[in-house]
Amino acid sequence: EAQVTQNPRYLITVTGKKLTVTCSQNMNHEYMSWYRQDPGLGLRQIYYSMNVEVTDKGDVPEGYKVSRKEKRNFPLILESPSPNQTSLYFCASRLMYQETQYFGPGTRLLVL
Amino acid sequence: GENVEQHPSTLSVQEGDSAVIKCTYSDSASNYFPWYKQELGKGPQLIIDIRSNVGEKKDQRIAVTLNKTAKHFSLHITETQPEDSAVYFCAASRTNFGNEKLTFGTGTRLTIIP
Repeated sequence: EAQVTQNPRYLITVTGKKLTVTCSQNMNHEYMSWYRQDPGLGLRQIYYSMNVEVTDKGDVPEGYKVSRKEKRNFPLILESPSPNQTSLYFCASRLMYQETQYFGPGTRLLVL
Repeated sequence: GENVEQHPSTLSVQEGDSAVIKCTYSDSASNYFPWYKQELGKGPQLIIDIRSNVGEKKDQRIAVTLNKTAKHFSLHITETQPEDSAVYFCAASRTNFGNEKLTFGTGTRLTIIP
């Protein structure tokens, strides 16, 4: 089944404790991105990657890192999480020259 | 950059009635306008999209209209059913050689009243 998977789905952590949210897709998509979803703000792009070893900042990159060592994986790293990073996070992927994005199921993060 | 505004933020309609959600965009170069449906506990899923060379597109009970001059587009759901209850997002993007970036609206929570 073609899909985007994220792990974990739910995470509670404390301020400053490094964490990684994994994202994997099995559709051979070149383009992958991370969004955060907050009430009243919709979906905002954090980082994106157009291919292996090619990443760039989105609209709200502060406090986040990403890497793209393999085509199928695009982990999101919070090296020192803060309470304002409490949010619902989505990974998405698509083919390079097609606009349709496929979203993962989301990761709900609470930073205490 | 692009700015997409979406209204209303919440909408309740009686089952069987129609629902309309409206979005406006700011970048006249935007040429792709998708609508995503997000059910509880799931990620957004594309339900319909329209490109700037088309004024209207329909898929069964769902239709999208685009007014390029006024820079607004709308989602129309007819004969609403309980399974239509969800959060709906509009978005806009422009052709950018593979680096097309979707800018999303703030979402509309649609509730269908049985």
